[in-house]
Amino acid sequence: EIVLTQSPATLSLSPGERATLSCRASQSVSSYLAWYQQKPGQAPRLLIYDASNRATGIPARFSGSGSGTDFTLTISSLEPEDFAVYYCQQRSNWPPRGTFGQGTKLEIK
Amino acid sequence: QVQLVQSGAEVKKPGASVKVSCKASGYTFTSYGISWVRQAPGQGLEWMGWISAYNGNTNYAQKLQGRVTMTTDTSTSTAYMELRSLRSDDTAVYYCAREAPLYGDAIDYWGQGTLVTVSS
Repeated sequence: EIVLTQSPATLSLSPGERATLSCRASQSVSSYLAWYQQKPGQAPRLLIYDASNRATGIPARFSGSGSGTDFTLTISSLEPEDFAVYYCQQRSNWPPRGTFGQGTKLEIK
Repeated sequence: QVQLVQSGAEVKKPGASVKVSCKASGYTFTSYGISWVRQAPGQGLEWMGWISAYNGNTNYAQKLQGRVTMTTDTSTSTAYMELRSLRSDDTAVYYCAREAPLYGDAIDYWGQGTLVTVSS
């Protein structure tokens, strides 16, 4: 099975700073990678799909890049509401699988 | 509006089974796949498996093979996840989630979650 490794485990930044989160796959997932944001007590929210496409309603400060095995989620200028846990997920077409990374906690410095 | 409404919290003893339901509304049920995802307390997200609401095809995470069964009832737009031989490490919030072809089969809607507690 494909393993996704996210780094760092915890990222401490201040509002207004730029955040860069990494997700590395154990083998190529092409561009079949999504990013989600989860806040305490809530279900995750889709941010990015197919590695670089923002989902409907997601602010432009969120961007995704990468293909193959290395992916990045960038938040250009952190807002207070962006502090949360972020997960990447690979979605292989067949057989359909949806492995998640272990998450990166973005906390206020 | 799209909604996925799950059944209520469950408390089970080790070795028992649990069946969680997920009733969909606000969209054509058979046009989307359903994933089940669980989250143990304080832990990350774990993908459990997928079912096509169109034809009932399934694919399960390797670690759960043989213990999990996912089904759908298209007459009621409801998906089900049954997990057998429960252990304490199965204690988690279980989510059903809709996969969106528009978003490369990423998950665009989630149920509210069902807490399953396994304890003797």
